[in-house]
Order: sequence, then structure tokens, then C-alpha cells
Amino acid sequence: SYEVTQPLSLSVALGQTARITCGGNNIGSKNVHWYQQKPGQAPVVVIYRDTNRPSGIPERFSGSNSGNMATLTISRAQDGDEADYYCQMWDSSTVIFGGGTKLTVL
Amino acid sequence: EVQLVESGGGLVQPGGSLRLSCAASGFTFSSYWMSWVRQAPGKGLEWVANIKQDGSERQYVNSVEGRFTISRDNAKNSVYLQMNSLRAEDTAVYYCARLVYGSGGLDYWGQGTLVIVSS
Repeated sequence: SYEVTQPLSLSVALGQTARITCGGNNIGSKNVHWYQQKPGQAPVVVIYRDTNRPSGIPERFSGSNSGNMATLTISRAQDGDEADYYCQMWDSSTVIFGGGTKLTVL
Repeated sequence: EVQLVESGGGLVQPGGSLRLSCAASGFTFSSYWMSWVRQAPGKGLEWVANIKQDGSERQYVNSVEGRFTISRDNAKNSVYLQMNSLRAEDTAVYYCARLVYGSGGLDYWGQGTLVIVSS
């Protein structure tokens, strides 16, 4: 089955840029989606189909996907961005999640 | 407004059964695949099952195959997860989510329902 790898944790200084990666074999050929999950809440889509931002998601959130790596970029990080982030894709009619990255804003 | 509301969670003994429900509103339910995703305490997201619009196709994660059954009732705008032979490792918050077939994304999620398997 297809596997993807995310860093367990990432720290970013307030106002700086965080880049959360999701690695997988030829992941650039797949549609990658990113979810933000805060404690006690359901996940929320922040990026869909690699680069698209749902309405209501700040422009500070962006995505890219090429080769063996997809990346979620959060510019000008704020306290409210502190959360778990998951990448997700579709493979062989199944839903695949990355293990999640805990983002801490310092 | 799209809404997904899960119910049916609770405490069940190992080997027992539970049926989760997810009531959908705000969209044409019969036009979408639906999914169940779970999250064990302190752990990441794990996909559990998918079901096609008309129920003719279903997929499951290996760990629940043969024990869990996903179904739907388009007349009631609801999707279900029948869980049998429950194990301690099935303890989790269970979310239903709307699946966008083609891109494979989960664009709307419910608030989740907690299942605890313990004696």
C-alpha cells in the first residue's frame, strides 16, 4: 500500500514561514489535500488538490506538489495556526493519511 | 450549509457491537461517496471505509475488513457503520466525511462520535 511520511513536529517563530512536508513515491502524480486539526475539533481542509484554498482559509496557506514531495506552506505564522496538520491522498480506491505534523508557534 | 452529524458512539465491551449513524444535510447526499475516518486517543487520522453513491462499491481498511460494514440510506440522507467483534484498538473518535471522488479529498467532516471498547 502507498505510504507517506510527515515530520512528527515542527516549530516556527511567530510571523515566520512554516513548511510542512509530505513525502511519498511519485506523490507529484497524486492529488494531495491538507487538513488542520486543533485539539478537540474535527479536521478542516486548508488546501485541496495540491494548491487550492477553500473559501475562508487565509491566503497565508499555500500548497505545492512535485516529484516525491508535497509541501504545505504557512506564511506569517500566527498563534492560531498552532495545530496538527495532515496530508491526504487517494490511492487504489482508498484514502491515505500522513502521520500528521504538530506545528508549534513560538 | 453542509452538515454531517454523527451519533451512536458509546462504551462497549470487547467482542460487542455498535452501529454508528451519520445524518447529512445541505447537499444532494445521493450524489456523493461517503467515508468514515477514525482517530484513536492521541493518535493520527486513520481512514476506515468508503461507500459509493448507490452503495454498490465499498472499501475498508484491512484492520476492520470482515468486522465492520458501511452502508447508506439515500432516502434518509444517512450513512452507517456497523461495527462487530469490537476490540480495544477500535477505541477512537469516529468521523464521517464527504468524499470528493476523483480528487479523493474529504471536503466536509462531522464533529465525531466517541467509541470506547473496554471491559
